[in-house]
Amino acid sequence: KAGVTQTPRYLIKTRGQQVTLSCSPISGHRSVSWYQQTPGQGLQFLFEYFSETQRNKGNFPGRFSGRQFSNSRSEMNVSTLELGDSALYLCASSLGTPSNYGYTFGSGTRLTVV
Amino acid sequence: GQQVMQIPQYQHVQEGEDFTTYCNSSTTLSNIQWYKQRPGGHPVFLIQLVKSGEVKKQKRLTFQFGEAKKNSSLHITATQTTDVGTYFCAGPTLFSGGYNKLIFGAGTRLAVHP
Repeated sequence: KAGVTQTPRYLIKTRGQQVTLSCSPISGHRSVSWYQQTPGQGLQFLFEYFSETQRNKGNFPGRFSGRQFSNSRSEMNVSTLELGDSALYLCASSLGTPSNYGYTFGSGTRLTVV
Repeated sequence: GQQVMQIPQYQHVQEGEDFTTYCNSSTTLSNIQWYKQRPGGHPVFLIQLVKSGEVKKQKRLTFQFGEAKKNSSLHITATQTTDVGTYFCAGPTLFSGGYNKLIFGAGTRLAVHP
């Protein structure tokens, strides 16, 4: 069965621009979470969506937002990009509550802000 | 807030040597999960431990959950070059909205020299 699909794989944006990343979870998985991974900060939780509702949100500024559609696909948006937003953005889906079922991660979107 | 700490940060071993990474939580965990991320890849779920004192084995990998459910370890016997990567532990933390989220440790990067 297909894994978690993230698009695009790589992205280069200019400071001040905005970006939208997409994630298609494993079929049947209703929970989608987003993480930011940087060498210095490790895996930082952004938010989790379940059945189109945001259930959890990490400590990121309001420039980071997300949504989930009725087919469980999710998008995250970052507005007014800053150089520090350069990172690998990972989407992870779960059959239910991630702490009970674990995550299946996508390959990530590598965002570079110049 | 709750923290999940991992030591060591890096470990270099000769192929055939054993390797252990430790995970410690500031609070009692309901369960703990372990993930492996190969260089250039994404985290992959390895296992979940739930019971106090639980020990699980996957071939050369042995996972333990402490009696107090505040620490865990991953031990690899006779490392191979295929074991190279970063090993993360993750534990649930209760979010103010009532749902818990997974907090990841900073990871232990394992290098294996042939």
